[in-house]
Amino acid sequence: TQLLEQSPQFLSIQEGENLTVYCNSSSVFSSLQWYRQEPGEGPVLLVTVVTGGEVKKLKRLTFQFGDARKDSSLHITAAQPGDTGLYLCAGGSAGGTSYGKLTFGQGTILTVHP
Amino acid sequence: DAGVIQSPRHEVTEMGQEVTLRCKPISGHNSLFWYRQTMMRGLELLIYFNNNVPIDDSGMPEDRFSAKMPNASFSTLKIQPSEPRDSAVYFCAIGLHQPQHFGDGTRLSIL
Repeated sequence: TQLLEQSPQFLSIQEGENLTVYCNSSSVFSSLQWYRQEPGEGPVLLVTVVTGGEVKKLKRLTFQFGDARKDSSLHITAAQPGDTGLYLCAGGSAGGTSYGKLTFGQGTILTVHP
Repeated sequence: DAGVIQSPRHEVTEMGQEVTLRCKPISGHNSLFWYRQTMMRGLELLIYFNNNVPIDDSGMPEDRFSAKMPNASFSTLKIQPSEPRDSAVYFCAIGLHQPQHFGDGTRLSIL
């Protein structure tokens, strides 16, 4: 069974601070997705990374996939209250009937105070 | 998300009753996924369809759960009979092989 450990579980910071959320596993994934979820809504896909060592930037958000494709990080620069939400990482398996399966981490609840 | 419409948004019913959750994908896709989210277990994949065919239902908890996708624009998840431990938020998602667009979910409470 593939597991994804996210840390920290909770993060409470002030507006303007930087933060990093980690997603770690002992398993290799074919892809790694990051989602953001707000209360009462479904997760929204932020990014997909597929190549070991890949770095993607989305405005103030930087996503990195580990060289061995077992871990990932999400870094937010100068956090804003609008960044508040639940951040989920999910690892994808490749091949056969596992192709559509994602293993989700437990999530990081981020609160950015004005 | 405008790509997936789920109904109802909330459902409260007594244990033993049949519950039917509905999903209407609007955007183009080839895969449809049903997930369940709880505080204790997070997001769990129940079943997914590819081109309307069930590919993997290993996440379906037990025989009380069933899912259908009669066409590309409609899917249902049925629980019969329902139990209190089925209480959760159920999400439908669509995508090209992996979930890219989630609906806003159905919050199910079984009393």
